[in-house]
Amino acid sequence: EAQVTQNPRYLITVTGKKLTVTCSQNMNHEYMSWYRQDPGLGLRQIYYSMNVEVTDKGDVPEGYKVSRKEKRNFPLILESPSPNQTSLYFCASSYGARSPLHFGNGTRLTVT
Amino acid sequence: LAKTTQPISMDSYEGQEVNITCSHNNIATNDYITWYQQFPSQGPRFIIQGYKTKVTNEVASLFIPADRKSSTLSLPRVSLSDTAVYYCLKAAGNKLTFGGGTRVLVKP
Repeated sequence: EAQVTQNPRYLITVTGKKLTVTCSQNMNHEYMSWYRQDPGLGLRQIYYSMNVEVTDKGDVPEGYKVSRKEKRNFPLILESPSPNQTSLYFCASSYGARSPLHFGNGTRLTVT
Repeated sequence: LAKTTQPISMDSYEGQEVNITCSHNNIATNDYITWYQQFPSQGPRFIIQGYKTKVTNEVASLFIPADRKSSTLSLPRVSLSDTAVYYCLKAAGNKLTFGGGTRVLVKP
């Protein structure tokens, strides 16, 4: 089954403790991206990747890092999480930026 | 920063047509407009995509006027299961900008 898998679904952590949210897709998509969703603000793009080793900033990249060492994986890294990063995060993949996105089921992160 | 704006919410009744308009200023020549549907606790799901004029598929139609500064998603004869949040998306090169989402409530 074609899918985008994020892990974990829920995560509670404390300020400053490094964490990684994983994202994997099995559709051989070249474009992968991360979003955060906050009430009243919709979905905002954090980072995107056009292909292996090619990443770029979206609209809200501060406090986040990504890597794309393999085509199927695109982890989101929070080196020093802060409470303002408490949010619902989505990973998505597609054949290209203009192709329909396939989203994961989200990761709800709480930073205390 | 190019903005993509849409109404926050709208109510409708079963069997009616729902039209949601998204304004996207600074749209560039190569930008596409895509619409997504999102249910609670799920990721957004693709509905329809267009570049200009009208596009129709089995679930919706998308109207984009000649100046392409707005687009309208049309959901014909909605049912209760169409209650969801609908997002427009503008692709500016490789960077994607979502609208704030429109919460559609379909009443019996």
